[in-house]
Amino acid sequence: DTEVTQTPKHLVMGMTNKKSLKCEQHMGHRAMYWYKQKAKKPPELMFVYSYEKLSINESVPSRFSPECPNSSLLNLHLHALQPEDSALYLCASSQDWRGATEAFFGQGTRLTVV
Amino acid sequence: TQLLEQSPQFLSIQEGENLTVYCNSSSVFSSLQWYRQEPGEGPVLLVTVVTGGEVKKLKRLTFQFGDARKDSSLHITAAQPGDTGLYLCAGEDNYGQNFVFGPGTRLSVLP
Repeated sequence: DTEVTQTPKHLVMGMTNKKSLKCEQHMGHRAMYWYKQKAKKPPELMFVYSYEKLSINESVPSRFSPECPNSSLLNLHLHALQPEDSALYLCASSQDWRGATEAFFGQGTRLTVV
Repeated sequence: TQLLEQSPQFLSIQEGENLTVYCNSSSVFSSLQWYRQEPGEGPVLLVTVVTGGEVKKLKRLTFQFGDARKDSSLHITAAQPGDTGLYLCAGEDNYGQNFVFGPGTRLSVLP
């Protein structure tokens, strides 16, 4: 099983809403990632969790709040977003976050902020 | 910051043609990966290359890692419309500190 599952697939939210994106993997991977991808651009790293601890925060605004409840789950809590935050949000996982590891991506959540 | 460049940025070819896309850096990478992404979907891992000079084949796709581990190429033989997509290279620097994506090559194979 090389699947990373993201829910929801699409999300429309207002600027005052609070919502959460969810990601799940059952490959026993110990590193999980959130990426943001704007149209016609490559994915940009937001956060890295390694062994359920936040290892990298790429200067992401606090309106994005990641959470790793256990080794299989990764959430991204959203609050007071701006229209420019509209993008495809991708979750990925890998065996570890260092070394020649292969990252497997979910299908993404298409987020629209209105 | 390790930077990856990809060329060409866009490529439109007819079905049956061969093509090569490139991924280059001035830095050494411990590994490079190639992904294919379709619109609205997540990237799908195609291959990982680790050893300098390594060549890997995946059906009609041939991947090569440069001897100095600074560049890689993807060659597609007899392209098909199903090969259409965004091809991204991604790599981890030699210190295991950074994992970065190139800007991608957008391939369109016309029937």
